[in-house]
Amino acid sequence: NAGVMQNPRHLVRRRGQEARLRCSPMKGHSHVYWYRQLPEEGLKFMVYLQKENIIDESGMPKERFSAEFPKEGPSILRIQQVVRGDSAAYFCASSQNSFLVSFTDTQYFGPGTRLTVL
Amino acid sequence: AQSVSQHNHHVILSEAASLELGCNYSYGGTVNLFWYVQYPGQHLQLLLKYFSGDPLVKGIKGFEAEFIKSKFSFNLRKPSVQWSDTAEYFCAVDSNSGYALNFGKGTSLLVTP
Repeated sequence: NAGVMQNPRHLVRRRGQEARLRCSPMKGHSHVYWYRQLPEEGLKFMVYLQKENIIDESGMPKERFSAEFPKEGPSILRIQQVVRGDSAAYFCASSQNSFLVSFTDTQYFGPGTRLTVL
Repeated sequence: AQSVSQHNHHVILSEAASLELGCNYSYGGTVNLFWYVQYPGQHLQLLLKYFSGDPLVKGIKGFEAEFIKSKFSFNLRKPSVQWSDTAEYFCAVDSNSGYALNFGKGTSLLVTP
């Protein structure tokens, strides 16, 4: 009964490089959420995706950040031209149903990817 | 600005002691409230959640939380902690979006034998 998988667990990039973070939701889950935890801060919502659709990206920086959840394969959070301020832990969560539809649903979290920008 | 505050960053208790972890939020309007726990080396797990109804919510492993609307608080309690409760505890608030959780910084709990 695999949970939410994220890879890599640790990622080191130099300034200006691209970072790709992957998230495989739990089996049967079609809703994915990305969160960012900056040093000494709590997790903050970034983006909510369903298969092939971005539902809400209000928490995601407008520049350099993008997210997708294709019909096949994992969800990808992509950060272009990384800067030191992007160093953080990025968590992915998934749920079975739309939170909007069913408040009895739950978000299940992955272990996170720790991004370090040198 | 909307925020979630957890008052205690580090708590150390002896086994069998009672636990109360504070959580306050500064959202207006309807909110949904959560407590998550992260055991060492594990993922975040949901302890309990409040959407509506009885403000005293019971969760897993003997935890409960009380929503006090007038105080904008959602404190977590357990009458008698065990060594296995050693973990980091996070309060989270959703301003009625249904999905966009906003977490506090967390409280690290260490239970000593």
